[in-house]
Amino acid sequence: QVQLQEAGPGLVKPSETLFLTCTVSGGSSSSHYFTWIRQSPGKGLEWIGYISDSGRTNSNPSLRSRLSMSMDGSKLSLTLSSVSTADTAVYFCARVRVRHYDSGSYSFYGMDVWGQGTTVTVSS
Amino acid sequence: DIQMTQSPSSLSASVGDRVTITCRASLTITTYLHWYQQKPGTAPKLLIDAASTLQPGVPSRFSGRGSGRDFTLIISSLQPEDFATYYCQQTYSTPHTFGQGTKLEIK
Repeated sequence: QVQLQEAGPGLVKPSETLFLTCTVSGGSSSSHYFTWIRQSPGKGLEWIGYISDSGRTNSNPSLRSRLSMSMDGSKLSLTLSSVSTADTAVYFCARVRVRHYDSGSYSFYGMDVWGQGTTVTVSS
Repeated sequence: DIQMTQSPSSLSASVGDRVTITCRASLTITTYLHWYQQKPGTAPKLLIDAASTLQPGVPSRFSGRGSGRDFTLIISSLQPEDFATYYCQQTYSTPHTFGQGTKLEIK
């Protein structure tokens, strides 16, 4: 059974760079990609982006200029530069099912496995 | 970006009630619509995939329907453990946006 576990620094100063990891245990497959989601205090869910097992990524345009995602074996990494208080949130990683078509296109379904989330506070 | 609008934003109901939550997309998303339940301090849980596919282990009192732009989540008979916040999400196109959530509270 796949499990995800996020890890992060807890507290980051404004203008610094945030580094998060997500460890995947229990295996992975080409039928699944991994996504990052965040939730600001008392707010809704914001999709950050996804990464495939081959390193293909796509991210939210609102974050793209500051965001980097990578995958090394069973560990996902997220880097967010120049953070501000608006980046204070609980950050989740999750697995998303992907369907590949012969044409080379693919489609996404729901996120069926989630980590427990890691809280990041941006404050001086 | 595709905007997802849920209604209502909050809802008070009693155990045993039938509850309907709606989600409307700003563009057609066929059936790339998924429903999540989130309880305080925990990660969201996928309830329904692709508009109407109930996830393993999710009680059959939950159901989903819709296609195109309009979708509904139905809880046929509320149970105490169903009081939570519900989110819809589209994965038709990136960014994979969420609705703002519907908080279901005990009346």
